[in-house]
Amino acid sequence: GAVVSQHPSRVICKSGTSVKIECRSLDFQATTMFWYRQFPKQSLMLMATSNEGSKATYEQGVEKDKFLINHASLTLSTLTVTSAHPEDSSFYICSASAGSANTGELFFGEGSRLTVL
Amino acid sequence: GNSVTQMEGPVTLSEEAFLTINCTYTATGYPSLFWYVQYPGEGLQLLLKATKADDKGSNKGFEATYRKETTSFHLEKGSVQVSDSAVYFCALSDGRGYQKVTFGTGTKLQVIP
Repeated sequence: GAVVSQHPSRVICKSGTSVKIECRSLDFQATTMFWYRQFPKQSLMLMATSNEGSKATYEQGVEKDKFLINHASLTLSTLTVTSAHPEDSSFYICSASAGSANTGELFFGEGSRLTVL
Repeated sequence: GNSVTQMEGPVTLSEEAFLTINCTYTATGYPSLFWYVQYPGEGLQLLLKATKADDKGSNKGFEATYRKETTSFHLEKGSVQVSDSAVYFCALSDGRGYQKVTFGTGTKLQVIP
């Protein structure tokens, strides 16, 4: 089946620094990828939709200057958490859709756990 | 808008017990329905899906039937194992292009030996 890989799986950084998380579709082309944030014991919150070659579409309440998304190719999307603060600590997950547009099935990366000290 | 409601957890069962996790949904049109599973420390994996009414999705002994009349997609397994311990998410997509998927809040299952 389709494989989506995220890197890094865990990252610890100091407050005020920026962190980049990569999401790659390994065996298919993904014109659209999605970025989610998951808080402990809660569901996934969609942050933004990443479109190859164009600007990302952010959900209401998500700061686009804080969470920079770049979808430079059909197999790679990156999420950069800028000037990270402890409240940005979370589990970030990306997903991509493959195959028929009408099935809606998503393939997820392994997730990246960010800890900001 | 679309929404998914799942039973709250955690659900604790003994090994070989019968599992049901309830899921109901609200959506316009004819959504596709999914169950995703998240093992500790990992991302989500698709467990099973159904794309139209009366379809039954099945995988690894888990089953769920798309019930349009009751807008439900309950997850069942006849005999759970310790390795089934995970968080289970019910989800739907409304079938319009590379669409957003709406997730339920997740139900944590713990299976004890």
